[in-house]
Amino acid sequence: EAGVVQSPRYKIIEKKQPVAFWCNPISGHNTLYWYLQNLGQGPELLIRYENEEAVDDSQLPKDRFSAERLKGVDSTLKIQPAELGDSAVYLCASSLTRANEQFFGPGTRLTVL
Amino acid sequence: DQQVKQNSPSLSVQEGRISILNCDYTNSMFDYFLWYKKYPAEGPTFLISISSIKDKNEDGRFTVFLNKSAKHLSLHIVPSQPGDSAVYFCAARISSSSNTGKLIFGQGTTLQVKP
Repeated sequence: EAGVVQSPRYKIIEKKQPVAFWCNPISGHNTLYWYLQNLGQGPELLIRYENEEAVDDSQLPKDRFSAERLKGVDSTLKIQPAELGDSAVYLCASSLTRANEQFFGPGTRLTVL
Repeated sequence: DQQVKQNSPSLSVQEGRISILNCDYTNSMFDYFLWYKKYPAEGPTFLISISSIKDKNEDGRFTVFLNKSAKHLSLHIVPSQPGDSAVYFCAARISSSSNTGKLIFGQGTTLQVKP
C-alpha cells in the first residue's frame, strides 16, 4: 500500500514569492491534515479536511496561507507571499474518518531566503 | 501554552538497556495518546498508542504507561537497539467532538542507542 505522497521534498524561495505544496493521501482516507513543524518542535496542525470540507482551520494564517482539497482526495497548501519565518517542514497526514492513527508523508522542507 | 511537554530534549542509552521516554500533559480533555517515531528526512511514523481508560499498552519491545492522576505517560523500549535511534514524539488527542482527530504534539526527544 502506498503511503502519503508529498511534493516537492525541498523548496528554496526568496521572501515575498509564492509557493505551493502538494499532498496525495493514502487511498480511502477521508481525513487529511496539514501540519507545520519548526526546528526542534513537534508538528502543529494548520488545517484538517473531512473529504473536501475544511473542518478545522483555526490555526491557518489566512492572510497568507490557503489550502484546498478538490474532489476530496489530493490537497494543495499555498503560501503567498512567503516570509522568512515560514521556513519549516510542512507535513501532510491522512487517516480514516475518526481513526486514532494518522499516517504522515515525508514532508516538504521550505527555506525562505 | 504547551499542553504536551517532553522535557528531555535528548536521551542516550546503551544497546540492550531500557530506554524510558517521558511526556507530561495539562489538558484533562485528552482521551487518547500516541507515540510517533521520526527518522531524519522522513515523516513521523506511528509507534504505539493508549486510550485514557487504560494504564498500560504493550507491543513487542514497546510499552506505554499512562498515569492519569499525574498527567504523565512514558514509553519504555526494552531492549533498546541501535535502529531505535530517532526522534520520538508524544501526541495527545482532544476528546471534544468538534476537534475529533486533532493531535497536540510534544517537542520531541532524540534517542540515541549506542552499540
